Amino acid sequence: QVQLQESGPGQVKPSQTLSLTCTVSGGSISSGGYYWSWIRQHPGKGLEWIGYSYYSGNTNYNPSLKSRVNISVDMSKNQFSLKLSSVTAADTAIYYCARRCVVVPAPGRMVGAFDIWGQGTKVTVSS
Amino acid sequence: QSALTQPPSASGSPGQSVTISCTGTSSDVGASNYVSWYQQHPGKAPKLIIYEVTKRPSGVPDRFSASKSGNTASLTVSGLQADDEADYFCCSYAATNNVFGTGTKVTVL
Repeated sequence: QVQLQESGPGQVKPSQTLSLTCTVSGGSISSGGYYWSWIRQHPGKGLEWIGYSYYSGNTNYNPSLKSRVNISVDMSKNQFSLKLSSVTAADTAIYYCARRCVVVPAPGRMVGAFDIWGQGTKVTVSS
Repeated sequence: QSALTQPPSASGSPGQSVTISCTGTSSDVGASNYVSWYQQHPGKAPKLIIYEVTKRPSGVPDRFSASKSGNTASLTVSGLQADDEADYFCCSYAATNNVFGTGTKVTVL
């Protein structure tokens, strides 16, 4: 049973870089078939896809955040990370890591969906 | 990319059905075979309940069903139960973009 767990600072100062890590347990991040994703939820609001990375390093980002986002995979640690630069108060949110199935049919694969989520971590941007 | 449009709220009595719409454009929902739905209870992470427009993951009751017509996807929860009270979000994947809906709060009266 694959599980995801976010970790990182709960508070970041404006203009600095937000850095979060997601640790994958119960499965290998390099097994293929999945994109390792970050999604955020502003207080009392909807979900916003930030981006994801394949284990190979191939990435895809939300166009509205692309200039500030970097998502990377560390296969040796079975982790993936989010870096969001030049943060403002508008980046205050709960950040979730999630596993997103690739759009290739396979037994048991929930194609194109975010099938496993971390519990989320709250990040506040404040001086 | 704009969020997909969902009604802010929906409600029904126990045993009744409620249907939630998710409206996008011909570039997202209309172009996608990969619409998914998520249930989120307060303070919890979202949970996948529908993928590929109509399919249910193992363990999700068949009281949850979904469909798509044109630029609008729909989720129906039949036989409403107290535990169905939650926020529901749709998501569409098309042309390398993943776009979520604005969310609908379902209240069981």
